[in-house]
Amino acid sequence: GAVVSQHPSRVICKSGTSVKIECRSLDFQATTMFWYRQFPKQSLMLMATSNEGSKATYEQGVEKDKFLINHASLTLSTLTVTSAHPEDSSFYICSSKWDRSTDTQYFGPGTRLTVL
Amino acid sequence: TQLLEQSPQFLSIQEGENLTVYCNSSSVFSSLQWYRQEPGEGPVLLVTVVTGGEVKKLKRLTFQFGDARKDSSLHITAAQPGDTGLYLCAGSNTGNQFYFGTGTSLTVIP
Repeated sequence: GAVVSQHPSRVICKSGTSVKIECRSLDFQATTMFWYRQFPKQSLMLMATSNEGSKATYEQGVEKDKFLINHASLTLSTLTVTSAHPEDSSFYICSSKWDRSTDTQYFGPGTRLTVL
Repeated sequence: TQLLEQSPQFLSIQEGENLTVYCNSSSVFSSLQWYRQEPGEGPVLLVTVVTGGEVKKLKRLTFQFGDARKDSSLHITAAQPGDTGLYLCAGSNTGNQFYFGTGTSLTVIP
């Protein structure tokens, strides 16, 4: 299957700082990337859908000014958690699709964010 | 919001036993995917089903898509410790939006 990478895999930061997470599609051009959040032993919650070259579409209840998404190229999307607080601690996962018509998405390995 | 309910939420069984996980919704989906996720990793796609009534087999795993394309099941025969993980179903209609199920955490005891 296709390879999607995330960096960093783990990050610990102080409350009030901003953290940037990168999601890279390594062997195909991703027209669409998704960002999910997951709490322990729970399912994935879609945060936003990102199409290359356009603004991300955020799900209801997700603050777009707090979770900044940039999809500047077909292989890279970034999620920046601004002014992070302990309640933002979670597992963040991205996924990529190479075509808008396909139902197959490839997931990254996730990023564990801990805010102290 | 299109909700996908999975049952059971937690399942702990002995090695060699069989089990079935259900994924139910009141909405119709054009396709449905099943994933397995291990702790600290991203989900890995197991199968995609697209036709109502479709049955797909992947070694000891059997996946079925309901006739009305609202529900699905995953059956594991002779479970092994390596099957331990979080199983997630996800429905899609447009291919650009996925709705994940509530998840089933499976533990297979050696």
